[in-house]
Amino acid sequence: EPEVTQTPSHQVTQMGQEVILRCVPISNHLYFYWYRQILGQKVEFLVSFYNNEISEKSEIFDDQFSVERPDGSNFTLKIRSTKLEDSAMYFCASLENRVTDTQYFGPGTRLTVL
Amino acid sequence: AQKITQTQPGMFVQEKEAVTLDCTYDTSDPSYGLFWYKQPSSGEMIFLIYQGSYDQQNATEGRYSLNFQKARKSANLVISASQLGDSAMYFCAMREGWAAGNKLTFGGGTRVLVKP
Repeated sequence: EPEVTQTPSHQVTQMGQEVILRCVPISNHLYFYWYRQILGQKVEFLVSFYNNEISEKSEIFDDQFSVERPDGSNFTLKIRSTKLEDSAMYFCASLENRVTDTQYFGPGTRLTVL
Repeated sequence: AQKITQTQPGMFVQEKEAVTLDCTYDTSDPSYGLFWYKQPSSGEMIFLIYQGSYDQQNATEGRYSLNFQKARKSANLVISASQLGDSAMYFCAMREGWAAGNKLTFGGGTRVLVKP
């Protein structure tokens, strides 16, 4: 069964460093998302991406964040200068279309900022 | 106001018994979708069940069923015949309207522990 994949599973970085989190959505899906979950808290929406552009972003998704779909398969989240409070689990999700209406999540990348 | 409210932070259930997880939602949009996801201790988010606002019947998926009460704005998850592997965090989520992003808004979750 097709699934969303994410790499790496765990990333440790120093404050101020740039990180790139990678996702491969399900191949025929059209909508892509990033969410994050700070330890012990609820899952929060970051950004959605459709037709090669951002369709919506939350107030969390400031200028330090960017997303890209560099080719037909990868979807990346870049954090330019990480802060301690960026430590969280980051989930990628994809949605086939509005009819199927179900987002499937990847296994997540745990980001630890020291 | 919270869009999705899960009032049970944690609960125990005996193996083979049924358990109901509460979820209430708040939206004025007539078109919305309600979802339940399971998050085991390993951390991944597993889709369980979906209910569309226009669906006439309650959704069912194997041992999972969704008790959808539209007038009360509730979408409770029922897990029948609980198994030890059902021990996990459960999140209710809503897709509200058809804004460009179709983002999901999550509740705070309910932790379920199944006792043998």
